Amino acid sequence: GENVEQHPSTLSVQEGDSAVIKCTYSDSASNYFPWYKQELGKGPQLIIDIRSNVGEKKDQRIAVTLNKTAKHFSLHITETQPEDSAVYFCASNSGYALNFGKGTSLLVTP
Amino acid sequence: DAGITQSPRHKVTETGTPVTLRCHQTENHRYMYWYRQDPGHGLRLIHYSYGVKDTDKGEVSDGYSVSRSKTEDFLLTLESATSSQTSVYFCAISLQGFDGYTFGSGTRLTVV
Repeated sequence: GENVEQHPSTLSVQEGDSAVIKCTYSDSASNYFPWYKQELGKGPQLIIDIRSNVGEKKDQRIAVTLNKTAKHFSLHITETQPEDSAVYFCASNSGYALNFGKGTSLLVTP
Repeated sequence: DAGITQSPRHKVTETGTPVTLRCHQTENHRYMYWYRQDPGHGLRLIHYSYGVKDTDKGEVSDGYSVSRSKTEDFLLTLESATSSQTSVYFCAISLQGFDGYTFGSGTRLTVV
């Protein structure tokens, strides 16, 4: 499958700080880039997504940016809270399926 | 998770035995997917279905087969389980393909 590289693999921030997770993809045909949050013992849940016809999308404290030329997209979480602690996955579409990055374990300390 | 159920939630099996995992949905979504999740590897696609009796292979399909005889059920079979197939398996559904997956709660499979 097409690769999706995700960095960093772990991220620790203090409550109130911002967190940024970055991904790159290789399939030029990809046009859909979602982000999933996985809490312990649960399945991943979609938190935000972006399509290739826009460069940025926001939803309260969460934003995603996309640079199609560079094949980069990023997740930005502002004013982090302890409940933001989880594993986050980026993904891009390839055919009828999603290819996922390896995940970022985010820890928000009080 | 609403509308999607995986069974069993946990299973321990012996090497060489056949195992079938079930994904059941009540959303009438066309697309269904099986992924495995392993530390350091994220989520990797095993097989997916784009309709009844229509399936295709993913990145890590060796040693796995699938069947979908009706819209609501997608079965994943390990014909002869190996220790390398110890993993957490997630099913996902999608109405339009890749767009807005809903994941099940997962099946933790241990092959001893």
